[in-house]
Amino acid sequence: DSGVTQTPKHLITATGQRVTLRCSPRSGDLSVYWYQQSLDQGLQFLIQYYNGEERAKGNILERFSAQQFPDLHSELNLSSLELGDSALYFCASSVEGRDTEAFFGQGTRLTVV
Amino acid sequence: TQLLEQSPQFLSIQEGENLTVYCNSSSVFSSLQWYRQEPGEGPVLLVTVVTGGEVKKLKRLTFQFGDARKDSSLHITAAQTGDTGLYLCAGLTGTASKLTFGTGTRLQVTL
Repeated sequence: DSGVTQTPKHLITATGQRVTLRCSPRSGDLSVYWYQQSLDQGLQFLIQYYNGEERAKGNILERFSAQQFPDLHSELNLSSLELGDSALYFCASSVEGRDTEAFFGQGTRLTVV
Repeated sequence: TQLLEQSPQFLSIQEGENLTVYCNSSSVFSSLQWYRQEPGEGPVLLVTVVTGGEVKKLKRLTFQFGDARKDSSLHITAAQTGDTGLYLCAGLTGTASKLTFGTGTRLQVTL
């Protein structure tokens, strides 16, 4: 158990819909990262938050957004969903703002039908 | 964009064999990490190498960071079925705070 909790574990939704993925980081970790993993794309960095502020941005679509709340949990919002958005979405957390070690959650498997 | 290419992409071997996985980039990284991911789970950190030329051993796994800090290798001696999984390298640059992951090597070890 990494200490990072992601909910839900599985999500099935229709195209055009909007979903919210939730992540609770390890106790004491200020940084939260979101990654997308699909079969043909590997693990793609989406966005990082540190203590409530956006720290780094990767290949995140405009239809996607994220935020980190005062209690440090984070949410990834995916809207106007397309079939190609089907993937595993991982959240990771680490101490401070540097990736000395990233602890990953078990992921949310999103299926868009 | 920093790219980390891993080779081979897929590897299927029998228990007891040795193998090496490579992670190559044209970019210099301040450190490089190796993760293993099992089905249905998130990646788990195996090791971090920081110094060019550094070699770290974790039981039957040997990790090396290239002298120029652009590449790394993972060598497994006498592979076991429990080594089956997806191996990912990830590079960190000093000025960025995100991990760039490699393309992954899927290893299957059979009896």
